[in-house]
Amino acid sequence: DTEVTQTPKHLVMGMTNKKSLKCEQHMGHRAMYWYKQKAKKPPELMFVYSYEKLSINESVPSRFSPECPNSSLLNLHLHALQPEDSALYLCASSSATSTNTGELFFGEGSRLTVL
Amino acid sequence: QKEVEQNSGPLSVPEGAIASLNCTYSDRGSQSFFWYRQYSGKSPELIMFIYSNGDKEDGRFTAQLNKASQYVSLLIRDSQPSDSATYLCAVNGIGSNYQLIWGAGTKLIIKP
Repeated sequence: DTEVTQTPKHLVMGMTNKKSLKCEQHMGHRAMYWYKQKAKKPPELMFVYSYEKLSINESVPSRFSPECPNSSLLNLHLHALQPEDSALYLCASSSATSTNTGELFFGEGSRLTVL
Repeated sequence: QKEVEQNSGPLSVPEGAIASLNCTYSDRGSQSFFWYRQYSGKSPELIMFIYSNGDKEDGRFTAQLNKASQYVSLLIRDSQPSDSATYLCAVNGIGSNYQLIWGAGTKLIIKP
């Protein structure tokens, strides 16, 4: 059983829709991440929250809006996406201590298709 | 530009043999090194991490780190068809706590 849960697993949306991806972890981790992964490419970091504060935004377009309501939850709000935003969106968590932040625990991902 | 290089493969290995996956990195200040396994259509899964020079063994997996030569490798002993996956090498360094630098991954195929 994965300890990082993402919903929905699949999402199809039009370019004018507003939708949200959700992530929940029960590992007591204080760092949470959104990654984007295209086919045959490595994961690409989008956002990092550390202790519920946005720590890193990798110059992601404003049509992606992250939110961290509490230490267990992470959302990614989507609005006015483009077809090229179609990808697998991965949520991950880790300890926030400096030596452990590369030990990521990924959810199963949300596969997004933008029409 | 910090880089992590991997041979994209596919690397084909007979069942029961040792699979050897290699990774080189450009930032000499890198401190932590990770191997993730990703099955097709699934999310990455951490299988090994290594922080010090030398070997680290966990079951059939051995990670090897050589900081002087700036490479890290993953050996899989007694390879099984279930080991067929893409293996991603990732590195972070000083001042990059949350930002892993990822290799492009090596696709490993274990042939029965």
